[in-house]
Amino acid sequence: AQSVSQHNHHVILSEAASLELGCNYSYGGTVNLFWYVQYPGQHLQLLLKYFSGDPLVKGIKGFEAEFIKSKFSFNLRKPSVQWSDTAEYFCAVNIDRGSTLGRLYFGRGTQLTVWP
Amino acid sequence: NAGVTQTPKFQVLKTGQSMTLQCAQDMNHEYMSWYRQDPGMGLRLIHYSVGAGITDQGEVPNGYNVSRSTTEDFPLRLLSAAPSQTSVYFCASRGGGFYEQYFGPGTRLTVT
Repeated sequence: AQSVSQHNHHVILSEAASLELGCNYSYGGTVNLFWYVQYPGQHLQLLLKYFSGDPLVKGIKGFEAEFIKSKFSFNLRKPSVQWSDTAEYFCAVNIDRGSTLGRLYFGRGTQLTVWP
Repeated sequence: NAGVTQTPKFQVLKTGQSMTLQCAQDMNHEYMSWYRQDPGMGLRLIHYSVGAGITDQGEVPNGYNVSRSTTEDFPLRLLSAAPSQTSVYFCASRGGGFYEQYFGPGTRLTVT
């Protein structure tokens, strides 16, 4: 079965600290990769996505992610976090194949808390 | 566009009751899905549909039914509510081509 692993369950940082959240997936074929963010009490919003091309993708609010195919990874980064980045972050993978077309497999999420 | 809408926002049920969570989208998306979100579990796919009249099971389908009679609507039915179904339910849709999914605001369901 396909799986998506987020290794950090809860990350606590001070404002201006750098952030890196890990995401690994278990499928070896063509994948589309996403990071979603969920602010407290809100629904999921797309932060950034990777389909093809430059493996370094930039998203909203200063976030970026790097796709490393050899490591099956798609880590999320931000050079300097803000208090408003406090949220839960989900990595998701779409496997581009046949009957699973369109299905997203989610990681368990990483809760980020930023102290002012 | 309103995007993906869900009703109700909150619901409390007693064990054994049935109910339908509503989901609608106005983006003419073919693909729609239902997820449940539980603490520490991420989002798990319940059922999905690739078009009107076509539905399939996801990871956790037991206790839930769906149907897709129109492109716009994708209701989720709880047949006989159980406390284990206490969760936040999200509906999502996506169009063809790029695989970005758009999520609704969620329904928080409590089964006592």
